[in-house]
This record gives sequence, C-alpha cells and structure tokens, in this order.
Amino acid sequence: DIQMTQSPSSLSASVGDKVTITCRASQSISRFLNWFQQKPGKAPKLLIYAASRFQSGVPSRFSGSGSGTDFSLTISSLQPEDFGTYFCQQSYTTPWTFGQGTKVEIK
Amino acid sequence: VQVVESGGGLVQPGGSLRLSCSASKFTFSDYYMSWVRQAPGKGLEWVSYISSSGTTIYDADSVKGRFTISRDNAKNSLYLQMNSLRADDTAVYYCARVSRAINLETAHYYNYMDVWGIGTMVTVSS
Repeated sequence: DIQMTQSPSSLSASVGDKVTITCRASQSISRFLNWFQQKPGKAPKLLIYAASRFQSGVPSRFSGSGSGTDFSLTISSLQPEDFGTYFCQQSYTTPWTFGQGTKVEIK
Repeated sequence: VQVVESGGGLVQPGGSLRLSCSASKFTFSDYYMSWVRQAPGKGLEWVSYISSSGTTIYDADSVKGRFTISRDNAKNSLYLQMNSLRADDTAVYYCARVSRAINLETAHYYNYMDVWGIGTMVTVSS
C-alpha cells in the first residue's frame, strides 16, 4: 500500500498568515493527489484534485502543487473559517490511502 | 447534488448491517461511487469503490470478504453489505461520488471524491 505522510500534524496560525501543509507519498503517484478539508462533525470537502486543479466553489486562496512523491497545499491568507483538519489522499492505485491529517487552528 | 446515507446503528460483533446511499440531482449511472469510513477521533479510511456499471469493484484489505459494495442504477442507490462485523469497524461511514478527469497527455483518469454525504454511524459492540 502507498503510505501518505503529512506534516505538520497540527499548526496554529493567525488570520492573514500564509500556511503550507506538505504531503509525501511512499512511492511516486504522479499527480494523483487530492486535498480535503474537514470540520468537526462534518463530512470532508474536496478542495484540490489532481494535485493542483481547483474544485469548483473553493476560494482561490487555496492552491496545490507537486508531483511524484512531494506535494503541498497552501492557504495564501488564512481566514477564520479555514480551521479544521486537512487530509491528502492518493488515487494512483487501490487501496486509495489518506494522510493522517493536519489540524489547523486559528490563533 | 447530494448523497444521503442511511442504515447505520448498533450491532453486535459478528452481526450484519446494510448501509444505503441515495443519490439525487445528478445522473447516478454516470458516476463511480465509493464508501469511506472514519473511526471516532481518527482519520479517513477508504473502504470500497464501484464503477458506474457495477462491473468493477475494489475493496480495502481490511473489509475484503466481509463487506460487499453494490449499486442499483434504476433506484439511484449505492449499498454496502457488511457481514462479520468487528469492533474495529465502528466508524462513521460516508458515501461519496467519484468524479473523473482525464489527463490528455497520458490518457489516465484522475479520480476524486467530490460529493459526500453527512455519514451514518455504525457501532459494533456487545
């Protein structure tokens, strides 16, 4: 199985800060990488697919980059509503696997 | 566009449960569908997916031989039959639509879960 490792596990940042979350795959997955945001008690929400393609309706402050084994999700200017846990997920091969999550808190 | 899960509940170890997912406002038969679960306080775990016609199915090793995904396109419904349930199957089970985008350079499809239900809780306990 392909292991997905996110860092950091948690972070605390101020409104307006630039935030970057990284995700590393245990083998090359080309650009088969998706990013989700999940708020407490809610379903995950797709933010980015195919490493850098924007999901419709997602604010432009969210962006994704990377290919191969190293990927990142960037929030260009953190907003109060961006709290939650962020997960990366590979769809290169089954079993599809998720990173362990990065919890984002607002200072 | 939405999917709504149902069928969760409390079941004893070794028991069975059938989850359903009802889809609306999109052409269900055009889409692959998937189940993902989340144990209390834990991360996300992909469980299974099924192709639009139902002919292709993939399962996680943790559920292989115990869980069966299926669909009824005439009823716009997805199912997950869960047998031989164990305590570690306790989780919120999410139904998700799988969209696909083609990479024109490689002719590979990017799969991504873009519509999720609110989930249904399954608790396996005596």
